[in-house]
Amino acid sequence: AQTVTQSQPEMSVQEAETVTLSCTYDTSENNYYLFWYKQPPSRQMILVIRQEAYKQQNATENRFSVNFQKAAKSFSLKISDSQLGDTAMYFCAFMKQGGANSKLTFGKGITLSVRP
Amino acid sequence: DTGVSQDPRHKITKRGQNVTFRCDPISEHNRLYWYRQTLGQGPEFLTYFQNEAQLEKSRLLSDRFSAERPKGSFSTLEIQRTEQGDSAMYLCASSFPVRGSWVRTDTQYFGPGTRLTVL
Repeated sequence: AQTVTQSQPEMSVQEAETVTLSCTYDTSENNYYLFWYKQPPSRQMILVIRQEAYKQQNATENRFSVNFQKAAKSFSLKISDSQLGDTAMYFCAFMKQGGANSKLTFGKGITLSVRP
Repeated sequence: DTGVSQDPRHKITKRGQNVTFRCDPISEHNRLYWYRQTLGQGPEFLTYFQNEAQLEKSRLLSDRFSAERPKGSFSTLEIQRTEQGDSAMYLCASSFPVRGSWVRTDTQYFGPGTRLTVL
């Protein structure tokens, strides 16, 4: 079974600054995907960024980038130039690649507040 | 297509009543998932469909819970004899595993959820 750990329950950052959210996971699988999802207050969960485990290059989506360390089983999210709209709960998630069921295993999430 | 939709968005019921939720996935998606999210926690997997076949159920899904996807399109999740511990957000997600396509394979897209409150 896979586990995902987000040990920081809350973080705060000043608008326009950079913040890094931590995530570690445990698995015996070699092929998998990792995701960061964002859930704004009272709004639906949306995909922020995705990383395939076989890729050494870290994924980047505009202001969002990841630091994927496969050996350390670490997958952190860096948000650059933070904006007020980034205020949300952020979830790290794991998905085994292949097989019949691509269910997501989520961490407990981290609440990020961006201060004006 | 505007994404995954869920109905109702909110449901308040009394303990012991039955409730049913509906999920309409993105039209070309053949995989559909149900998750449950309690306050301050990450979503937990409940069950999964590929087309109309229910392929896996979590042990979280007690005998009071049943899910269907009769024609491989929309899905329903029914909870019988609701308990206060069933109060949660019920999320639906869909995906379409296309190999060799530029479309992001196996990425799940979530609906807005149904928030259930059991009094």
